[in-house]
Amino acid sequence: DAGVIQSPRHEVTEMGQEVTLRCKPISGHDYLFWYRQTMMRGLELLIYFNNNVPIDDSGMPEDRFSAKMPNASFSTLKIQPSEPRDSAVYFCASSYRQLTGYTFGSGTRLTVV
Amino acid sequence: GDSVTQMEGPVTLSEEAFLTINCTYTATGYPSLFWYVQYPGEGLQLLLKATKADDKGSNKGFEATYRKETTSFHLEKGSVQVSDSAVYFCAAPGAGSYQLTFGKGTKLSVIP
Repeated sequence: DAGVIQSPRHEVTEMGQEVTLRCKPISGHDYLFWYRQTMMRGLELLIYFNNNVPIDDSGMPEDRFSAKMPNASFSTLKIQPSEPRDSAVYFCASSYRQLTGYTFGSGTRLTVV
Repeated sequence: GDSVTQMEGPVTLSEEAFLTINCTYTATGYPSLFWYVQYPGEGLQLLLKATKADDKGSNKGFEATYRKETTSFHLEKGSVQVSDSAVYFCAAPGAGSYQLTFGKGTKLSVIP
């Protein structure tokens, strides 16, 4: 199993530009989570999906953030327009319920200049 | 307050020293509990877990026992190595059954 696959690994963009982060969960997992990690705030849950349906997006910081899961094997997190304070490492994780814990991807390090 | 409270770091130990990282949780019932490890530049990896009270999770020489009476899940290792240098996160279910809440992480540095 290739694990949870995120792309790109690194993204540098200018303020105001649109950024799209991608995630492929582990096949058979029915939950998908997007987290953001910063030194100041630690690990924050942004949104999670169950069977491709968004369940809780209360962690999404602003309307500039949106996430979709069009099918069981793909999810995107979009920031439009991006701002320097969005700079962070964004992780995607998936799980089969909670019985085995989450499997995290390697993350996307986003830098907005 | 936080549903997972974790000992703050950073923690610096000499090689072969004993490690304890404290973690307490607040939850209803008896949820599964987890420890994750994050090595520099990588994502979080599941280190060990316990699914019911009095269970002991173990992996790579690390252990943690699910103590329902103290609502704790402290991480221990008898003899740390330089390669154990990483950030360790305790996790337990939050308000929703399928949402893990993570502690703030404890950075461990092991020096030769």
